[in-house]
Amino acid sequence: GENVEQHPSTLSVQEGDSAVIKCTYSDSASNYFPWYKQELGKGPQLIIDIRSNVGEKKDQRIAVTLNKTAKHFSLHITETQPEDSAVYFCAASEGGGADGLTFGKGTHLIIQP
Amino acid sequence: AAGVIQSPRHLIKEKRETATLKCYPIPRHDTVYWYQQGPGQDPQFLISFYEKMQSDKGSIPDRFSAQQFSDYHSELNMSSLELGDSALYFCASSLPPGQGVGTDTQYFGPGTRLTVL
Repeated sequence: GENVEQHPSTLSVQEGDSAVIKCTYSDSASNYFPWYKQELGKGPQLIIDIRSNVGEKKDQRIAVTLNKTAKHFSLHITETQPEDSAVYFCAASEGGGADGLTFGKGTHLIIQP
Repeated sequence: AAGVIQSPRHLIKEKRETATLKCYPIPRHDTVYWYQQGPGQDPQFLISFYEKMQSDKGSIPDRFSAQQFSDYHSELNMSSLELGDSALYFCASSLPPGQGVGTDTQYFGPGTRLTVL
């Protein structure tokens, strides 16, 4: 089955700086890679996703890059703000059907004022 | 915009009791997924349904069962509850598969917090 590794487990950055979270996956059949933000006691919220036919995707301060050859993808958040503080999860699946997602262990992002 | 609805939001049960969690997907979403998230852990996929049929199966214990009804809502039934079943249970929904890019995007509900004493 799929295995998703996520690093770092905790990331502390100064407000206004950039944050980068990296994930690797094992199953070459995976084609869909979403990122979720989860605040304490709440459900995961989709922030951006990317599919295997695209190398990079950007939405305002958030961008995701995908390297299918190396089986890794990364989340980039620029101009970080206090409200960006949360746990971020990467995930992978084959996509295109009702497949369950395999999640990474999560990154606790702390924005220092 | 309408979101995934889960009920109840909190549930307290004793060991060996049963529990039923309910999920109402976003309108027009006919695919439902269940996940279990232990304290400080990542969500673990349990099972999914599309058009009332089981579609994918993850690490769902034999003590658990689920189904999807004609109105697309889903219920997760948990029997012989154990202390280790205490967790957040999330339901997610997506548009029907195979209808173009983005139909597999999963939107999560607020979760049900199950505590087993």
